[in-house]
Amino acid sequence: AQKITQTQPGMFVQEKEAVTLDCTYDTSDQSYGLFWYKQPSSGEMIFLIYQGSYDEQNATEGRYSLNFQKARKSANLVISASQLGDSAMYFCAMREGSDYKLSFGAGTTVTVRA
Amino acid sequence: EAQVTQNPRYLITVTGKKLTVTCSQNMNHEYMSWYRQDPGLGLRQIYYSMNVEVTDKGDVPEGYKVSRKEKRNFPLILESPSPNQTSLYFCASSFVGQGANEQFFGPGTRLTVL
Repeated sequence: AQKITQTQPGMFVQEKEAVTLDCTYDTSDQSYGLFWYKQPSSGEMIFLIYQGSYDEQNATEGRYSLNFQKARKSANLVISASQLGDSAMYFCAMREGSDYKLSFGAGTTVTVRA
Repeated sequence: EAQVTQNPRYLITVTGKKLTVTCSQNMNHEYMSWYRQDPGLGLRQIYYSMNVEVTDKGDVPEGYKVSRKEKRNFPLILESPSPNQTSLYFCASSFVGQGANEQFFGPGTRLTVL
């Protein structure tokens, strides 16, 4: 079974608008971590934000926030005030229990329009 | 500067010609891992290492070997590359233990096997 599902292959967003990238996960572990990475066209993987399963507050990092809904097993990334430099592929990933392996979704390509 | 380096960044080779992709980190991380990225599949783990001389298979280990003789280095070896190993490869590393939430990725190695 797929551990991480990203249902949006591609999205367009207008500059300065907010965009939400969907991520649902599947795990039977009580302890897990959720990550979002950005991959620009240059190819590197840039860590954006982390949410632990026991964290009571939603994680935020600058213009990035993670909408964590534990009961729904969703961890959506919200990018506020989109910039042209936000155009990239975005990956949701999960780490379960004591395993350090990251399970990745297929990714969502975001294109920011001027 | 804290970083994970990979070499080479780009490689075109032919079927059956042994090759090694090097990975080195300067953060004294215990955990190191190799992933491959393929369109529509996200990143999948090939092999990982929890510390020196401790390595284990990930989700897609067939056709690959690794070694961990020193803490900082974790080379990926393709003994007899085949065209289905054409992919983008990432090395990653992190600390082990509580609070070790971020995995640092190398810049990627784009491999083409003809």
